[in-house]
Amino acid sequence: QVQLVQSGAEVKKPGASVKVSCKAFGYALTSFYIHWVRQAPGQGLEWMGIINPDGGATTYAQKYDDRVTMTRDTSTSTVYMELSNLRSEDTAVYYCTRSFQRGDLDFDYWGQGTLVTVSS
Amino acid sequence: SSELTQDPAVSVALGQTVRITCQGDSLRTYSASWYQQKPGQAPVNVRPSGIPDHFSGSSSGNTAALTITGAQAEDEADYYCVSRDSSGSLVVFGGGTKLTVL
Repeated sequence: QVQLVQSGAEVKKPGASVKVSCKAFGYALTSFYIHWVRQAPGQGLEWMGIINPDGGATTYAQKYDDRVTMTRDTSTSTVYMELSNLRSEDTAVYYCTRSFQRGDLDFDYWGQGTLVTVSS
Repeated sequence: SSELTQDPAVSVALGQTVRITCQGDSLRTYSASWYQQKPGQAPVNVRPSGIPDHFSGSSSGNTAALTITGAQAEDEADYYCVSRDSSGSLVVFGGGTKLTVL
């Protein structure tokens, strides 16, 4: 069945980078767009960006445009989200989710979430 | 504007109907989707077309709304709207509404 399985929790120091993976099972990775959404503790959902696994084109939210990089490895059906220059405010659960089309906002499957903690 | 505004909290009596709204300029052009999130869980798409008798969606002007008919205890959750920003290129979530079922 369809699953998005994310990598495990991370603890990073301020200024470091983190790379979270999202592995797709049960469907062809290149058939759906992947979005990254984060949620700080006690806060709402925040869209970070989108990657088209078929070709690798990306669009990032302006807030993260200079710090985030989304990539994919079609050979392993895995998408990655790397966030650099981490600060304490980046402590959050990071989710990957998919949509059938770029303009589609019906995200039908979500990863389990990856907690990233930024602390000195 | 790229913002979507939701009431932080709404309450409803068990079995009654409640309307959760989402306001933003971009909603005059783009439709909204809705997500339910319970504590410690990933969001779930509340697709109005999938459960027509319980969740329904509507839109007018700059406001989108999710209506829950016959609220149940299991509907108690945070609800988020999501749509595009005014440029159409980016995605934006509303701040979320905490629904309490009394």
